[in-house]
Amino acid sequence: EDQVTQSPEALRLQEGESSSLNCSYTVSGLRGLFWYRQDPGKGPEFLFTLYSAGEEKEKERLKATLTKKESFLHITAPKPEDSATYLCAVQAGGSNNDMRFGAGTRLTVKP
Amino acid sequence: GAGVSQSPRYKVAKRGQDVALRCDPISGHVSLFWYQQALGQGPEFLTYFQNEAQLDKSGLPSDRFFAERPEGSVSTLKIQRTQQEDSAVYLCASSQGARSNQPQHFGDGTRLSIL
Repeated sequence: EDQVTQSPEALRLQEGESSSLNCSYTVSGLRGLFWYRQDPGKGPEFLFTLYSAGEEKEKERLKATLTKKESFLHITAPKPEDSATYLCAVQAGGSNNDMRFGAGTRLTVKP
Repeated sequence: GAGVSQSPRYKVAKRGQDVALRCDPISGHVSLFWYQQALGQGPEFLTYFQNEAQLDKSGLPSDRFFAERPEGSVSTLKIQRTQQEDSAVYLCASSQGARSNQPQHFGDGTRLSIL
């Protein structure tokens, strides 16, 4: 069965303190791995799609990487406005376009 | 509008009542998805439409849940004889084409509370 595990569950950083969030996955035939940001009371906001091992994508202070077993979301010099829950999701080869999500990492950045 | 719109934003119902949740996807988007999100968890897939065709309903938790998209645009998720365990945020997402790998764009959800 396809599984997505995110760690840590929660992460508290000081402003400017870089760190990484982990997404480990087990899936039969990965079609795509997606990162989303979710603010309280809002729907998930799309950040990145990664398709194959070795691929990297960047957006402002965020960089996502992918291996055959996991993905990392690196946050460089975070700011308080980066505080949110970050969700990882996979789309499997046998799926009908639906995504399987992890439980998320709740990031808090203190000024 | 520019994004996915869901209504109502909040819905409170008594156990046993029927509820209907509406989703307006991004204009022209072929694919539409419904997800259920419990507090502190990631969204869980419920059902998928490609235009008006419901291609996957494997995630619907019981036969009390029913979804439709009759004209291939607006979709409605209906829950009959609601139970307390139905309390959750219901998210709708749409993507541009029928191919997989395309990012799904989410609405802000309907928070359903069953008393």
